[in-house]
Amino acid sequence: GDSVTQMEGPVTLSEEAFLTINCTYTATGYPSLFWYVQYPGEGLQLLLKATKADDKGSNKGFEATYRKETTSFHLEKGSVQVSDSAVYFCALHAGGTSYGKLTFGQGTILTVHP
Amino acid sequence: EAGVTQFPSHSVIEKGQTVTLRCDPISGHDNLYWYRRVMGKEIKFLLHFVKESKQDESGMPNNRFLAERTGGTYSTLKVQPAELEDSGVYFCASSQVWGTQETQYFGPGTRLLVL
Repeated sequence: GDSVTQMEGPVTLSEEAFLTINCTYTATGYPSLFWYVQYPGEGLQLLLKATKADDKGSNKGFEATYRKETTSFHLEKGSVQVSDSAVYFCALHAGGTSYGKLTFGQGTILTVHP
Repeated sequence: EAGVTQFPSHSVIEKGQTVTLRCDPISGHDNLYWYRRVMGKEIKFLLHFVKESKQDESGMPNNRFLAERTGGTYSTLKVQPAELEDSGVYFCASSQVWGTQETQYFGPGTRLLVL
């Protein structure tokens, strides 16, 4: 079945450091890929998405490129801020007979210190 | 525009009791989803409504869980009787378009603790 694997956390960085959170997936066909973020006390928010191979999603300084050859969708940011502290979830939408359901990774807790 | 809302935000019940969670999707969104995150693990799909019909309920763990969406607006998820392993955060999401261009908008979740 479909699955998403994220790097183990938690991740702790200093402000202005470079961030990478690894995400790899297993799916049949051509899934759409997403990063969602959950800030403390809030619900999940869509951070960025990519719907086909080689697409790059970007938002708020975060980027992720859909790599079909490595089945990956790693999240990156060049300079993190304290306000980026949150839980980050990688997810896929397989489509087809999976209809609309999203398959999520286990989440990565990011803490950024001043 | 109001986002997805969920009620209650927290619920603490004893094993064997009944709990009903409510989700109000974004107005005009035909697709409504329930997900659950247990003990810091991955968020897992429970079921998908299109309007008032259950499109996919393959993620429902057992028959103690009953979801309804009468009239195609808000949805309820009832757990009866609740067990310890039902503790977790229950998320609701809604979307307007189903398919490759779909974006699901999530509510803040209901934290359920079964003692």
